Amino acid sequence: QVQLQESGPGLLKPSETLSLTCTVSGGSITTYFWTWIRQPAGKGLEWIGRIYPSGSTNYNPSLKSRVVMSVDTSKNQFSLKLTSVTAADTAVYYCAREGETAVTLRPFDYWGQGTLVTVSS
Amino acid sequence: DIQMTQSPSSLSASVGDRVTITCRASQSISNYLNWYQQKPGKAPKLLIYAASSLQSGVPSRFSGSGSGTDFTLTISSLQAEDFATYYCQQSYSTPRTFGQGTKVEIK
Repeated sequence: QVQLQESGPGLLKPSETLSLTCTVSGGSITTYFWTWIRQPAGKGLEWIGRIYPSGSTNYNPSLKSRVVMSVDTSKNQFSLKLTSVTAADTAVYYCAREGETAVTLRPFDYWGQGTLVTVSS
Repeated sequence: DIQMTQSPSSLSASVGDRVTITCRASQSISNYLNWYQQKPGKAPKLLIYAASSLQSGVPSRFSGSGSGTDFTLTISSLQAEDFATYYCQQSYSTPRTFGQGTKVEIK
């Protein structure tokens, strides 16, 4: 059973860089797209972007100027960096796997439990 | 970006009721449409993928239908554990986008 676990600092000051890592267990990271999604308290889900094991990325245009994703296949991990954070970036951040294309048409089939990141001075 | 619009935003229903939630895409997405259930403090859980395919382990009272721009999630007989927020999501193109959610509450 594939499991994902987010890790990283839970409290940041404005203008700092958010850095989160997602560790994948129970399966290899060398296939599928790996995704970050966030959810402000009481609000809906926002797709941040995704990375393929080759390093190929797609980012949400609304965040593209501040986002960098990377992958470390040797550790079965992928990471998110979001620069110049503000209070508007306060949210629960989820990592997720995007399923295969041919049959399932790419749903988010496995999710981490989520980690709360608060931006406050 | 493809906009996903769900209706209603919330609904009240009783155990045993048949519940229908709709999702409309701003352009055709074929059947690249997924449904998730989220309970408070938990990650979303995949219920339906490819518009109408039931994810493994999900009860058969959940079903999905639709293609193109209009989609429906139906719960045939609402159970106590189904009170949650439901999201649709398109996987047709990037950026991936979600509907705003439908909160199903107890009447």
